[in-house]
Amino acid sequence: NAGVMQNPRHLVRRRGQEARLRCSPMKGHSHVYWYRQLPEEGLKFMVYLQKENIIDESGMPKERFSAEFPKEGPSILRIQQVVRGDSAAYFCASSPGQLNTEAFFGQGTRLTVV
Amino acid sequence: RKEVEQDPGPFNVPEGATVAFNCTYSNSASQSFFWYRQDCRKEPKLLMSVYSSGNEDGRFTAQLNRASQYISLLIRDSKLSDSATYLCYSGAGSYQLTFGKGTKLSVIP
Repeated sequence: NAGVMQNPRHLVRRRGQEARLRCSPMKGHSHVYWYRQLPEEGLKFMVYLQKENIIDESGMPKERFSAEFPKEGPSILRIQQVVRGDSAAYFCASSPGQLNTEAFFGQGTRLTVV
Repeated sequence: RKEVEQDPGPFNVPEGATVAFNCTYSNSASQSFFWYRQDCRKEPKLLMSVYSSGNEDGRFTAQLNRASQYISLLIRDSKLSDSATYLCYSGAGSYQLTFGKGTKLSVIP
């Protein structure tokens, strides 16, 4: 039973390029969360999605960032026109969907903007 | 006031020591609580759930104090491998998983 899969594990982008981060939840999980973590900082909530629905995007920057979780395929976090400040570890977590259940994390994507 | 607050530490303890962390939460409607462990540059991993009656797993004990709105994690007989950052999570019926910033533990030989 595969866990939460994120890819790529490492991503290097030049300023102004687009970054696409993918997350496949655990089997049977229909809820996905994205977090950003800067070095020596805590997890910062970005967005919560169900299939084809964004439930809570209160943690997403208003510009350049978007997320989706299509009916088929992985959830995608998209960052347009990346800047150096976007460099961070981006973690995805999934849960079965019931409120207040445990969430399980993927290994993360480390984005470096050069 | 932040929803979940933790003492960032670091807690530096010798091997074999007992160490405890607290995590306070502000939403009295919180219904579920978990402790996660995060190693340097790795993903958070679920350590244990926290039930009203408490929860014990080997050297680890988690407690919930609803009156004072905090959860605790007790680690007995600390091992070098326990060195990590410990994150608490409080679920309040909303969909957003709210994590504390974490408490850093270093177990020293």
